[in-house]
Amino acid sequence: GAVVSQHPSRVICKSGTSVKIECRSLDFQATTMFWYRQFPKKSLMLMATSNEGSKATYEQGVEKDKFLINHASLTLSTLTVTSAHPEDSSFYICSAGGGRGSPLHFGNGTRLTVT
Amino acid sequence: RKEVEQDPGPFNVPEGATVAFNCTYSNSASQSFFWYRQDCRKEPKLLMSVYSSGNEDGRFTAQLNRASQYISLLIRDSKLSDSATYLCVVNGGSQGNLIFGKGTKLSVKP
Repeated sequence: GAVVSQHPSRVICKSGTSVKIECRSLDFQATTMFWYRQFPKKSLMLMATSNEGSKATYEQGVEKDKFLINHASLTLSTLTVTSAHPEDSSFYICSAGGGRGSPLHFGNGTRLTVT
Repeated sequence: RKEVEQDPGPFNVPEGATVAFNCTYSNSASQSFFWYRQDCRKEPKLLMSVYSSGNEDGRFTAQLNRASQYISLLIRDSKLSDSATYLCVVNGGSQGNLIFGKGTKLSVKP
């Protein structure tokens, strides 16, 4: 069964609105979670590393004020896309695990469409 | 040199064929290696870890060559259901910092 749950799986919103995506680790505590974005026919791109109890670490070129990350507990990280624009339309995936050489477990992704 | 490099394909093969994917990585300090499979519009799923001695899981065989910084995946007796994009994944040295290749697309035809 799934060990990482992501919600919602699909969302359509209007330009200018904000969208929150949740990522939960189900069977384990995750001090670190990762947020990726994937455009059609492109590879996964790491956006940011979410750290429980502290600020997220953003990859170069990712606007931290636009993509707000909150990791308030050991099992939940949220990504909020603020003031969404059509170019933010993408597939957003979270993951957890990966410590000490173990593989990452992925959420089932959120397909965001901004109209 | 890109951190993790793969031939994007697509590889179009008939059912029953044997197909091999290659992947090179740039960080010689990398210790963990994986192959993930990603179906269209779905999240990646772990196919197999890659161990130093090479490992096999049914029709799938993974090999690692540390000296050449090279990983391979061999699929024997291809099935239609093997059609997907195969991602080579290498850890970047930091805890949980896994780096993904762009993926190799496989299409198995009847």
